[in-house]
Amino acid sequence: SYVLTQPPSVSVAPGQTARITCGGHKIGSKSVHWYQQKPGQAPVLVVFDDTDRPSGIPERFSGSNSGNTATLTISTVEAGDEAEYYCHVWDTSRDHPVVFGGGTKLTVL
Amino acid sequence: QVQLVQSGAEVKKAGASVKVSCQASAYSFTNLDIHWVRQAPGQGLEWMGWFHPNSGNSGYAQTFEGRVTITWDASIRTAYMEVSSLTFEDTAVYYCARGMGATAFDVWGQGTLVTVSS
Repeated sequence: SYVLTQPPSVSVAPGQTARITCGGHKIGSKSVHWYQQKPGQAPVLVVFDDTDRPSGIPERFSGSNSGNTATLTISTVEAGDEAEYYCHVWDTSRDHPVVFGGGTKLTVL
Repeated sequence: QVQLVQSGAEVKKAGASVKVSCQASAYSFTNLDIHWVRQAPGQGLEWMGWFHPNSGNSGYAQTFEGRVTITWDASIRTAYMEVSSLTFEDTAVYYCARGMGATAFDVWGQGTLVTVSS
């Protein structure tokens, strides 16, 4: 089945830019979605279809996808952005069409 | 505003079954899908399966095939996810989420903690 690889952790100082990657074979040919999850809360969609933001999500959150890597970029990071972030794609596999990355813990220093 | 409201926490014995509900408010599910995702303590998200209320079609991750059943009660806009033959490894928070075809999950329930004990 399809595998998505994320770094376990990313650290960034407030006001800086955080980049969280999601690697997968030819992931550039798929649509990638990103979720933010804070402790004790349900995931929240922050980017869908590679680059789009749901209403209410700040413009600081953006996405890109090409080749074998998709990236979630959070500019001007704030303390409130500290959370776990998951990427998600749909695969052609009938046995497991929905695939999540392992998650990346964003720490704001 | 669309909300998915799930049933409360459950404690079950190993070998038992659990049924978790997910009710949609102010929204019709008939053109969208309901998905179930679980998260074991300290772990990532694991997709379990989906149900399409309009067609009655469903699909399950191979890991859960034969042990998980997702159903829908249109009269009360409520989806159900039942897991049978529970083991300690099924201890997790179970989430329902809304999707439309092969797209993102834009609305999530608050989660239901299921604890499997001896």
